[in-house]
Amino acid sequence: GQNIDQPTEMTATEGAIVQINCTYQTSGFNGLFWYQQHAGEAPTFLSYNVLDGLEEKGRFSSFLSRSKGYSYLLLKELQMKDSASYLCAVSDSNYQLIWGAGTKLIIKP
Amino acid sequence: DAGVTQSPTHLIKTRGQQVTLRCSPKSGHDTVSWYQQALGQGPQFIFQYYEEEERQRGNFPDRFSGHQFPNYSSELNVNALLLGDSALYLCASSLMGDLREQFFGPGTRLTVL
Repeated sequence: GQNIDQPTEMTATEGAIVQINCTYQTSGFNGLFWYQQHAGEAPTFLSYNVLDGLEEKGRFSSFLSRSKGYSYLLLKELQMKDSASYLCAVSDSNYQLIWGAGTKLIIKP
Repeated sequence: DAGVTQSPTHLIKTRGQQVTLRCSPKSGHDTVSWYQQALGQGPQFIFQYYEEEERQRGNFPDRFSGHQFPNYSSELNVNALLLGDSALYLCASSLMGDLREQFFGPGTRLTVL
């Protein structure tokens, strides 16, 4: 079966750095996405990785290791507005998005 | 430029009823995908429409059906509603084959009593 695992909840301090991990087992791989979702709102695109390595975009970076079925999202200089759920999603062999349950990130002052 | 729009925002139905949700894609997009997101869960893929045809379908029963119109807008229909159908229904639009450009609408919150 297809499976995406990520921690249910994480807590971090404003101004700090946090790493949210994602492991996956899917039938085929056509890229891994990270989305941010604030409560009651739609997911918004953060990053896309299809090759191994680190993609950096401002305060957010995403890493992928296809051989390990592993990715992480790194958030630097945390702000209170970063409190949200972070969803990991993999595009499988049919280009369907398979989603994790999301990691709720709580930022404390 | 309007993004993806969905209507209604919220909906309350009772078991056994039928519901229709609507989605207008972002300007220039031709593909619409529908997702169901239960509380505290990630979205689950329902189906995808392109050129007015269902192109892909997730693991959802036939009670879930859809339609795409010539202007690329789309409807999701759910028949014989169950309590378990209560969820946030998300519509996402994109260009065919380019999931990186997938934009989500604000969703329709469906509550089945």
